[in-house]
Amino acid sequence: KAGVTQTPRYLIKTRGQQVTLSCSPISGHRSVSWYQQTPGQGLQFLFEYFSETQRNKGNFPGRFSGRQFSNSRSEMNVSTLELGDSALYLCASSEDSLSYEQYFGPGTRLTVT
Amino acid sequence: QQPVQSPQAVILREGEDAVINCSSSKALYSVHWYRQKHGEAPVFLMILLKGGEQKGHEKISASFNEKKQQSSLYLTASQLSYSGTYFCGTEEDGNNRLAFGKGNQVVVIP
Repeated sequence: KAGVTQTPRYLIKTRGQQVTLSCSPISGHRSVSWYQQTPGQGLQFLFEYFSETQRNKGNFPGRFSGRQFSNSRSEMNVSTLELGDSALYLCASSEDSLSYEQYFGPGTRLTVT
Repeated sequence: QQPVQSPQAVILREGEDAVINCSSSKALYSVHWYRQKHGEAPVFLMILLKGGEQKGHEKISASFNEKKQQSSLYLTASQLSYSGTYFCGTEEDGNNRLAFGKGNQVVVIP
């Protein structure tokens, strides 16, 4: 099976812009979770989607949003970018609930200038 | 709530053993362990469910002490390939989301 893919791999944006990141899960996986990884905070949970519904949400401001399509592909959007949004954004897919292992994609490195 | 991982960093020689820990102040349903090498995505190692079950992956095993809300990862007869940052992710009872710790950096030298 193909692994989790994320596009784009690298992005440079300026403050105030918005950005959309894409994640294609492993075929057959219905759950997609998004994480923000920074050196200081480690991996922080953003949200999880299952069957096109947001099932869980972390403690991030409303500027961070996401959605999942019927084919389980997911996108996350960050509006009004801030310098502190610079991070590696990882998505992970799993078959169902969190009782199953998650498979991470390579991530999108976002730099906000 | 973000779990606390300790020690922050471990340096060991090939063949040596090490233990790294993950603690939470909340009642946990499961603990997940992942390893991330520099520039790569985290890779799943194992899940431990409520019940104190111990699991193994190659020469890496883990335990989950439900009463203490603590999990330990045991690196036995370490190999160079064990180098990386180990993250524990904890799922609280009824929460259905993972909170990851800041990681344990493990460096195995020849």
